[in-house]
Amino acid sequence: NAGVTQTPKFRVLKTGQSMTLLCAQDMNHEYMYWYRQDPGMGLRLIHYSVGEGTTAKGEVPDGYNVSRLKKQNFLLGLESAAPSQTSVYFCASRDFYEQYFGPGTRLTVT
Amino acid sequence: GENVEQHPSTLSVQEGDSAVIKCTYSDSASNYFPWYKQELGKRPQLIIDIRSNVGEKKDQRIAVTLNKTAKHFSLHITETQPEDSAVYFCAASTYGGATNKLIFGTGTLLAVQP
Repeated sequence: NAGVTQTPKFRVLKTGQSMTLLCAQDMNHEYMYWYRQDPGMGLRLIHYSVGEGTTAKGEVPDGYNVSRLKKQNFLLGLESAAPSQTSVYFCASRDFYEQYFGPGTRLTVT
Repeated sequence: GENVEQHPSTLSVQEGDSAVIKCTYSDSASNYFPWYKQELGKRPQLIIDIRSNVGEKKDQRIAVTLNKTAKHFSLHITETQPEDSAVYFCAASTYGGATNKLIFGTGTLLAVQP
């Protein structure tokens, strides 16, 4: 059981470039989440999904898009990266209560 | 919208002392309150949680208390050890209701001095 995995672990982008972060879980969880973590601001929800084919906006969705084509995968896309999107991104999935986090992706936009 | 406030933002204690972190939430429908510990460079991990039908829960050196009337909940760590040093996050949710998301506090950096 790998739990929740994220790809890549690190990435450096130039302003205006695009990229996709991949989250995968092997626990058959319905719910999946993308957060960003910035110093002093805790974990802020970007988008989430309550099941395959569904997505919903969180607290800070602007500049990001998501897709959940398969139950085990949740993709986060940045169409045109900005320096304000420099952050650590965590994916999570949950059973009824507990959320399980992935190891994180450190993204720097220059 | 929903909001969770967490205090203090930093806390330094001597090894063996107790540490208390407090959170307040705004949504009276919240019914699930987890606490996560995040070590430097690692992912957040659940250490204890409490549901709204319970006032207190204990697991060895850690305990959580909930006051639904005041919309407060707190984490208590007794006999602190250097390995307790980390950032702790509280969160609140209304699982089973209209929302399916956790709202996190901004975190408390706990430093346990040997």
